[in-house]
Amino acid sequence: DTGVSQNPRHKITKRGQNVTFRCDPISEHNRLYWYRQTLGQGPEFLTYFQNEAQLEKSRLLSDRFSAERPKGSFSTLEIQRTEQGDSAMYLCASSLSSGGLLGANVLTFGAGSRLTVL
Amino acid sequence: SQKIEQNSEALNIQEGKTATLTCNYTNYSPAYLQWYRQDPGRGPVFLLLIRENEKEKRKERLKVTFDTTLKQSLFHITASQPADSATYLCALPNFGNEKLTFGTGTRLTIIP
Repeated sequence: DTGVSQNPRHKITKRGQNVTFRCDPISEHNRLYWYRQTLGQGPEFLTYFQNEAQLEKSRLLSDRFSAERPKGSFSTLEIQRTEQGDSAMYLCASSLSSGGLLGANVLTFGAGSRLTVL
Repeated sequence: SQKIEQNSEALNIQEGKTATLTCNYTNYSPAYLQWYRQDPGRGPVFLLLIRENEKEKRKERLKVTFDTTLKQSLFHITASQPADSATYLCALPNFGNEKLTFGTGTRLTIIP
């Protein structure tokens, strides 16, 4: 297993265009997360999946954002009608949930997909 | 939700000295706290985890403390090296342990 893979690594697009990012998690991990990070800030939670179910979405995730994880494997994050404020690094992470509060949730991140909206 | 503050947006330390980074949180005390390292243009990488019933955790030149009374964790790098230069993030789980909230990070530079 080569870890968490994200594609594309960089995307430059014009305002109003749609973009899609893909994340391939570690195969045995059942949880998959999307975070967004802007310069000088820590990663901000966007959404997460347990297997194929999307269990939580942040208020940051407007209706222009949609994420899917078909069959509980890879995930896609689509941004429709991009705006300049969407420019950021989009990070995907995965983890293996052992359930309950005793099992620590340690995330393995991908290298990220950097979006620039002109 | 948890509010996390990492003071010292940037920290410059002379090579060979000990670097100490601080993470403070404001709400409930979590079951554990994690520290990650992030290099420019890369995703964060997990370093250490410390549980609420542990006062201190060590890994090679790294040491983490967790004081639930002060609601604070300290992250120490001893005998610092230029290769330790990076941004260090602390992260806490939410009450249900489903997701992590990250601090803003401290950018550490080790000066040769």
